[in-house]
Amino acid sequence: DAKTTQPNSMESNEEEPVHLPCNHSTISGTDYIHWYRQLPSQGPEYVIHGLTSNVNNRMASLAIAEDRKSSTLILHRATLRDAAVYYCILRGNTGKLIFGQGTTLQVKP
Amino acid sequence: DVKVTQSSRYLVKRTGEKVFLECVQDMDHENMFWYRQDPGLGLRLIYFSYDVKMKEKGDIPEGYSVSREKKERFSLILESASTNQTSMYLCASSSRLAGAETQYFGPGTRLLVL
Repeated sequence: DAKTTQPNSMESNEEEPVHLPCNHSTISGTDYIHWYRQLPSQGPEYVIHGLTSNVNNRMASLAIAEDRKSSTLILHRATLRDAAVYYCILRGNTGKLIFGQGTTLQVKP
Repeated sequence: DVKVTQSSRYLVKRTGEKVFLECVQDMDHENMFWYRQDPGLGLRLIYFSYDVKMKEKGDIPEGYSVSREKKERFSLILESASTNQTSMYLCASSSRLAGAETQYFGPGTRLLVL
């Protein structure tokens, strides 16, 4: 399974947009890009996923580079409840999710 | 909403004990997974099951076994608990193994082996 690279940590101010980057230069044509987040003392929860086109849902937006070697998770207005570890994961058809270290997002009031 | 529940949030066991961790999902999902999460190592897949009575080893199956007698229930068994199995254990389920499918996680069981 292809790997991803994310910054260890990022900070944001409340009510401001947050852009969380992810590099995945060895992505294959059939890999989907998934984002999960894990709040303190909870299991991971699904945020968004995409294949080639940008995606929006009620939680976030996902911007995928044209060559698919990188992507960015966008939280449009960060709240204190968005403080979590965000994982960028490539998923093929094996069903496995390979979690990296993720990005710890701190949101300051 | 999909719900994945785990039998305990916290568990303390002694070395050598047999430990059962139970996971139940209510969305009729075919696939269920067991992960462990450790600081600095992230989440690692122990076992998964794609159907009743079927199981596949994940990346770190040693010291563990699993049981799936009913579609909604997936059990992780530590035959003889050891201190290096102290960890957070997370169960997940999904409807298919395809790349677009979402996994839904339970709240986790924090196991301490003394």
